[in-house]
Amino acid sequence: EVQLVESGGGLVQPGGSLRLSCAASGFTFSSYSMNWVRQAPGKGLDWVSYISSGSSTIYYADSVKGRFTISRDNAKNSLYLQMISLRAEDTAVYYCARDPVVATNPYYFDSWGQGTLVTVSS
Amino acid sequence: DIVMTQSPDSLAVSLGERATINCKSSQSVLYRSKNKNHLAWYQQKPGQPPKLLFYWASTRESGVPDRFSGSGSGTDFTLTISSLQAEDVAVYYCQQYYSTPPTFGQGTKVEIK
Repeated sequence: EVQLVESGGGLVQPGGSLRLSCAASGFTFSSYSMNWVRQAPGKGLDWVSYISSGSSTIYYADSVKGRFTISRDNAKNSLYLQMISLRAEDTAVYYCARDPVVATNPYYFDSWGQGTLVTVSS
Repeated sequence: DIVMTQSPDSLAVSLGERATINCKSSQSVLYRSKNKNHLAWYQQKPGQPPKLLFYWASTRESGVPDRFSGSGSGTDFTLTISSLQAEDVAVYYCQQYYSTPPTFGQGTKVEIK
């Protein structure tokens, strides 16, 4: 069974930093591209970032470019999102999501974690 | 970026009746060389992550009941629930993956009348 478990969320002050993690199990993590998708409280879904299976291709939403860094460790079956210069508008549940298509750009997302809540507030 | 617009924002349907959700993209998401529409549908129940229902506009994900169907091409797509069940109460999202960034519709909330 595919499992994605996010961690690392919490309350952080504006301008602060946070590192999210996503632990994957139940599939060959190194074969899949991965994404971060976020959802502000009571709002819709917003794609954040993509990383290909071997980390050679990375994309970011314009809203986070220069502030967020996606990475992965295939030996540890883990996906990460380093977030700096956080803003109130970054407040959201952050989901890691698997991309089942072998490609070098994001497609659709067939497995999602339960999410981790990031709250940016003073 | 491709803008995805869903209609209606919400709808209330009686149990056993049909529910229809529309999704329109600001440009075609049909990849002509592959003859595939780069469009997915998700269901999100309260307190849960989204669940993939359809990809390539009409390919049903494993385990999705056949009362759900996806259709459309180019810029206009439809998600239909042929006979609404209580467990179908959720917010439904469309998403295009024709170009980066992938973008979602604003969501359609389906409730029981």
